Amino acid sequence: DQQVKQNSPSLSVQEGRISILNCDYTNSMFDYFLWYKKYPAEGPTFLISISSIKDKNEDGRFTVFLNKSAKHLSLHIVPSQPGDSAVYFCAAFNAGGTSYGKLTFGQGTILTVHP
Amino acid sequence: GAVVSQHPSRVICKSGTSVKIECRSLDFQATTMFWYRQFPKQSLMLMATSNEGSKATYEQGVEKDKFLINHASLTLSTLTVTSAHPEDSSFYICSARNPPDATNEKLFFGSGTQLSVL
Repeated sequence: DQQVKQNSPSLSVQEGRISILNCDYTNSMFDYFLWYKKYPAEGPTFLISISSIKDKNEDGRFTVFLNKSAKHLSLHIVPSQPGDSAVYFCAAFNAGGTSYGKLTFGQGTILTVHP
Repeated sequence: GAVVSQHPSRVICKSGTSVKIECRSLDFQATTMFWYRQFPKQSLMLMATSNEGSKATYEQGVEKDKFLINHASLTLSTLTVTSAHPEDSSFYICSARNPPDATNEKLFFGSGTQLSVL
């Protein structure tokens, strides 16, 4: 049962343009969402997060949007840079008033930014 | 940040052998470490939570006798895949929070181990 889904296995974008990575979830108990970025031969690293009390969180070139009614979130990278080329994982959990919990991951999306 | 070191990065073994994967926190103490597995085109799935000085907590459907976890020190957890079979071929990755009670934003991952069982 895939509770967090990233339906696009890959995305190719031109440098300078916007990259939009999508993530859908089915578990309505999830109330905290994170994006991780993974380079080859390295472990995932935290990128940006959002709580369900918000619908947008921005950090520099990275913005995460949350649509609770649609159970959908997206990560926008603008402008995209070649160094952004990596695998991006969406993850969710039920914070339940705490700050941590068991993470459920999506399958990942491979982003390639062409110069 | 924090560094989590995982070794080996890749292992190929014959069916029936056992494989040990190490996960070390290099610059912090990790009372709890997490072991994940990712099959091709699937999600990272939590297998078990490794607790220093006590038994690991396994997720539903994960065989504890097949995936032995030892967390004997505050900086080392090991996952041993016993009597490995081809269906155990997967990407295994560990993680830990720094500090232990930190949020998931402070979850640091090892680089993973690609296990191939022939």
